[in-house]
Amino acid sequence: KAGVTQTPRYLIKTRGQQVTLSCSPISGHRSVSWYQQTPGQGLQFLFEYFSETQRNKGNFPGRFSGRQFSNSRSEMNVSTLELGDSALYLCASSPDRGRGTEAFFGQGTRLTVV
Amino acid sequence: GNSVTQMEGPVTLSEEAFLTINCTYTATGYPSLFWYVQYPGEGLQLLLKATKADDKGSNKGFEATYRKETTSFHLEKGSVQVSDSAVYFCALSAPNYGGATNKLIFGTGTLLAVQP
Repeated sequence: KAGVTQTPRYLIKTRGQQVTLSCSPISGHRSVSWYQQTPGQGLQFLFEYFSETQRNKGNFPGRFSGRQFSNSRSEMNVSTLELGDSALYLCASSPDRGRGTEAFFGQGTRLTVV
Repeated sequence: GNSVTQMEGPVTLSEEAFLTINCTYTATGYPSLFWYVQYPGEGLQLLLKATKADDKGSNKGFEATYRKETTSFHLEKGSVQVSDSAVYFCALSAPNYGGATNKLIFGTGTLLAVQP
């Protein structure tokens, strides 16, 4: 069974640009969550999607947005990039929502903003 | 709000030494608790979990017990190997007013380096 696939793996963007990151969950998984990982702030929750609906949102500015498609694939978008957006963005998929549900993580997209 | 605190690293051990990584949490209600591991250049992998008080999660020789009275979930292993070198994250998931959630709140991570 294929794991969580994130594309691209690496990305370099200029300040002020926008970027779209993609996540393909494990087949049959309906829940997708996104996290930002930085050396200073650690792992921070961005969004949770289930059945194409955003169920939870972390404490990030409106420049960060996302969506989930009917096949459960998800994208996140960051507009007007800032240097501080440089991070590893991790996507996680889960079969469902509920107590103790395991999250399966992709390898991440390394975004560098210059 | 909900939060996780884990011991600062790095933790450096010799092969076959005993490992403890401390983790405490603050949460309303009854969270589920997890340990995830991140190897260099990889995403996170679930190591073990516990969903209610006094549950013990175990996997690959690692263990952690959900202690509600001390709000702790310390990770232990009796004999570490070089291949255990990685970053270990303690995390919780707690239901909110919207009901069940897969949102994870992570600790800062602890780097473990095991020397031969």
